[in-house]
Amino acid sequence: DAKTTQPTSMDCAEGRAANLPCNHSTISGNEYVYWYRQIHSQGPQYIIHGLKNNETNEMASLIITEDRKSSTLILPHATLRDTAVYYCIAWKSGNTPLVFGKGTRLSVIA
Amino acid sequence: EADIYQTPRYLVIGTGKKITLECSQTMGHDKMYWYQQDPGMELHLIHYSYGVNSTEKGDLSSESTVSRIRTEHFPLTLESARPSHTSQYLCASRGLVPTGELFFGEGSRLTVL
Repeated sequence: DAKTTQPTSMDCAEGRAANLPCNHSTISGNEYVYWYRQIHSQGPQYIIHGLKNNETNEMASLIITEDRKSSTLILPHATLRDTAVYYCIAWKSGNTPLVFGKGTRLSVIA
Repeated sequence: EADIYQTPRYLVIGTGKKITLECSQTMGHDKMYWYQQDPGMELHLIHYSYGVNSTEKGDLSSESTVSRIRTEHFPLTLESARPSHTSQYLCASRGLVPTGELFFGEGSRLTVL
């Protein structure tokens, strides 16, 4: 699976949009972009995934650039409960196991 | 809510003891995984299984072993616990859907004295 690069940490004011970037310049055509988050030491939680189109669900939006070399996860109105480590993973799924990197530690500040 | 359960949630045990961490899921998922995570550190994949009688080692070398005799059950065993095994162990499962998400248990926090 392709390597991804994320900032180590970010801050966001409560109520504002949190935009978390991810670079995956070596992503291959059959790899999806997945986002998970881990709140404190709980098990990671699935957020969203996409291949090349932008995606939106009740938790977040995923914007993937046309060349698929980078993406942005958007939490439209961040709350204190969104404070977590966010993982961006390029994954072709199937029988390949999911491997987590270091992620971005997002701190939502009141 | 995901139906994947881990026991025990917390375990404090002495060096040299044999321990088994249990993981069960009621979703009929074929793929199951064990991850290890030290506080504030990365998640590392240590074992995974594609189905009954299938087990594979992950990216991080581990002295633990796993078995998959039943679809719903994926226990992890340490034959002789050591302080270096102190960590949190997270179990996950995934279904047949090609792009299906992973569902995680609440974790087992192991402390070896």
